[in-house]
Amino acid sequence: DIVMTQSPLSLPVTPGESASISCRSSQSLLHSNGYDCLDWYVQKPGQSPQLLIYLSSNRASGVPDRFSGSGSGTDFTLRISRVEAEDVGVYYCMQGVQIPRTFGQGTKLEIK
Amino acid sequence: EVQLVESGGDLIQPGGSLRLACVASGFTFSTDDMTWVRQAPGKGLEWVSVMSGRGDHIYYADSLKGRFTISRDNSKNTLYLQMNSLRVEDTAVYYCAKGPWGGLGYVGMDVWGHGTTVTVSS
Repeated sequence: DIVMTQSPLSLPVTPGESASISCRSSQSLLHSNGYDCLDWYVQKPGQSPQLLIYLSSNRASGVPDRFSGSGSGTDFTLRISRVEAEDVGVYYCMQGVQIPRTFGQGTKLEIK
Repeated sequence: EVQLVESGGDLIQPGGSLRLACVASGFTFSTDDMTWVRQAPGKGLEWVSVMSGRGDHIYYADSLKGRFTISRDNSKNTLYLQMNSLRVEDTAVYYCAKGPWGGLGYVGMDVWGHGTTVTVSS
């Protein structure tokens, strides 16, 4: 199975500042279609998870452009610029290139 | 409105069986993968199973094989998860999600239900 490792696991951020979360995979996430199958999800308190980014850098519908994804192969980053109070939650990366799909441990973003 | 609504969660004794359902609306159900993901209390997300739109590709987490069965009825826009020989460690909120592969290719799991709670306890 592909192991997904996120860091940090806890991320206190001052409103208006930027934040970055790293996600590393134990194998390349490059699919035969030429894209890296890496998604980012956020689970806000009391809610279901929701998709932020797919294929490493594509924002899902309705996601603010403050959120951006980058990376390829085994090394990926989610960046949030100008963090707002509503961004509080647990952020997960997930690989979609191989079965079983696997998630990172989650990164808890909190507001200072 | 694109929506997924799960049902079927319950308190069940170890060794028992349960069938979860997920009713979809607002999109062409038969063209998309449908996935089950679970979350144990206070834990992270765990991928459970996926079924392709036509039902010709089915995959499970290794730890669940032989106990859980995913199925779908495209005429009813409904996804199912039959869970047998339930264990205490199966206690979780079970989410259904649309994707990650669909008619437009790989788009991630872009729609999630609200979840249904399964509690396995004596």
